[in-house]
Amino acid sequence: GQNIDQPTEMTATEGAIVQINCTYQTSGFNGLFWYQQHAGEAPTFLSYNVLDGLEEKGRFSSFLSRSKGYSYLLLKELQMKDSASYHCAVRDSNYQLIWGAGTKLIIKP
Amino acid sequence: TAGITQAPTSQILAAGRSMTLRCTQDMRHNAMYWYRQDLGLGLRLIHYSNTAGTTGKGEVPDGYSVSRANTDDFPLTLASAVPSQTSVYFCASSDSGDGGTEAFFGQGTRLTVV
Repeated sequence: GQNIDQPTEMTATEGAIVQINCTYQTSGFNGLFWYQQHAGEAPTFLSYNVLDGLEEKGRFSSFLSRSKGYSYLLLKELQMKDSASYHCAVRDSNYQLIWGAGTKLIIKP
Repeated sequence: TAGITQAPTSQILAAGRSMTLRCTQDMRHNAMYWYRQDLGLGLRLIHYSNTAGTTGKGEVPDGYSVSRANTDDFPLTLASAVPSQTSVYFCASSDSGDGGTEAFFGQGTRLTVV
């Protein structure tokens, strides 16, 4: 079966750095996405990785290792507005997105 | 720009009744999707459409139907609602059904079946 694993919840301090890990086992691989979702709102796109390595976009970076079936999302200089759920999603061989259950990130002052 | 719009925002529906959730996008995206989101679970794909005139089944299609008569609209119909269909429903669109393009989501429809 297809499976995406990420921690259920994480807590971090404002101004700090946090890394959210994602491991996946899917039927094929055609890219990995990270989405942010604030409570009661729609998911919004953060990053996309299809090749191994690090993609940096401002305070957010995403890393992919296809051989390990592993990705992480790195958030730097955390702000209170970063409190949200972060979803890892993998596009499988049928080009359908398989979603993890999401990681709820709580930022404390 | 409106982007992608869903209606209604929320609904309470009696079991056994039918209902259509509406979804419209103005980005001329080829691909559209319907997901449901339940507490503790990832988004699960119900149905999708890679282009106008075509539809496909996702991970959890039973009890739902869709149509894609044109590029902009992708309604989701529950023929006879059951309590297990209580969920938050998200419509999404992307520029193509394959490749690396991101999906844009509507604001969701919160449906309660009683």
